[in-house]
Amino acid sequence: AQRVTQPEKLLSVFKGAPVELKCNYSYSGSPELFWYVQYSRQRLQLLLRHISRESIKGFTADLNKGETSFHLKKPFAQEEDSAMYYCALSGLQGAQKLVFGQGTRLTINP
Amino acid sequence: GAGVSQSPSNKVTEKGKDVELRCDPISGHTALYWYRQSLGQGLEFLIYFQGNSAPDKSGLPSDRFSAERTGGSVSTLTIQRTQQEDSAVYLCASSLGGTGPLYFGPGTRLLVL
Repeated sequence: AQRVTQPEKLLSVFKGAPVELKCNYSYSGSPELFWYVQYSRQRLQLLLRHISRESIKGFTADLNKGETSFHLKKPFAQEEDSAMYYCALSGLQGAQKLVFGQGTRLTINP
Repeated sequence: GAGVSQSPSNKVTEKGKDVELRCDPISGHTALYWYRQSLGQGLEFLIYFQGNSAPDKSGLPSDRFSAERTGGSVSTLTIQRTQQEDSAVYLCASSLGGTGPLYFGPGTRLLVL
């Protein structure tokens, strides 16, 4: 069964500090991992996916199959990063539904 | 082009009444999802349509919930005999193919009194 765990419901850091949002998953096959973000009064949107191996808005995430993790990191947090972040997983084989974690609300303090 | 749209944006209903929520996916997207977002909770998967395949209904919380997708496009989520615990934001999303990124609609905020 697919499962995504985000252990922190709330995370608060100061502007300019590094930030790491944790995500662990459980899946027996080859997973595809995503991070979605929801800013205040906006719809949920894709932030990044592990297949793309890109940095979006200064955020990166590396898939660690040994630790079954996909943590989201940014070296210097900015106030506009305050949002709700969701980690999500789907299988790479065929059309499989996307399963989300419970989300982490990130607050960047000035 | 237009994104995913949902209607109504807000719905207030009385306990026991039926409600219908509508989703218009992005044109050409074969996959369509319904999720529920309750206060303080994460995104709860409800149902998933992919092309002409039988939908994955494994997330529907009870038989009061049903959904259909007509002509591979518009989808309607129906909740019969609504209960107060059905109050939540119902999100629709679509994707190009089954493994592409999801594009979400703005959601329908349902309040059952």
